[in-house]
Amino acid sequence: GAVVSQHPSWVICKSGTSVKIECRSLDFQATTMFWYRQFPKQSLMLMATSNEGSKATYEQGVEKDKFLINHASLTLSTLTVTSAHPEDSSFYICSATIGQGISPLHFGNGTRLTVT
Amino acid sequence: GDSVTQMEGPVTLSEEAFLTINCTYTATGYPSLFWYVQYPGEGLQLLLKATKADDKGSNKGFEATYRKETTSFHLEKGSVQVSDSAVYFCALSGSGGYQKVTFGTGTKLQVIP
Repeated sequence: GAVVSQHPSWVICKSGTSVKIECRSLDFQATTMFWYRQFPKQSLMLMATSNEGSKATYEQGVEKDKFLINHASLTLSTLTVTSAHPEDSSFYICSATIGQGISPLHFGNGTRLTVT
Repeated sequence: GDSVTQMEGPVTLSEEAFLTINCTYTATGYPSLFWYVQYPGEGLQLLLKATKADDKGSNKGFEATYRKETTSFHLEKGSVQVSDSAVYFCALSGSGGYQKVTFGTGTKLQVIP
């Protein structure tokens, strides 16, 4: 089946530094990738939608200059948390879809970010 | 806008007990409905789906029926196992497919031997 690899699975960084999270579709070409943030005991909050070769579409309230998303190829999207602060600590999950319409979402295993 | 409401957890059951996790939704048009499962430290996996009214999605002994009249998509399993312990998310995507999914808050299920 379709596999999405997310790396790293966990990361600890200091306030003010930037962290990059990678999301790769291993055995299919993902035309669209989604980035979610999950707070403890809460649901997934969609942060942005990225299509290969174009700028990401951010959800209302998500700072695009803070959460930089790059979808440079059909198999790779990256999320960079810039100038991270403790409130950015969270579980970030990516998902990818093969095409449009009713193509299913395939999720990565998530990245636990802790900012100290 | 679209929304999904599911019962709060955690739900604790003994092995072989019957499981129901309630889910109701609000959406315009005819959404597709999903249940996703998240095991500890992992991402989400699609458990089952239904794309139109009265459809029944099923997988691994789990079932859910798309009830448009009650705007519900309750998850059921006749006999749970310890390995079913996870967080279950009800979700929907608006008319047109999977492109944007709205999730419920998740229900943690713990099955004890």
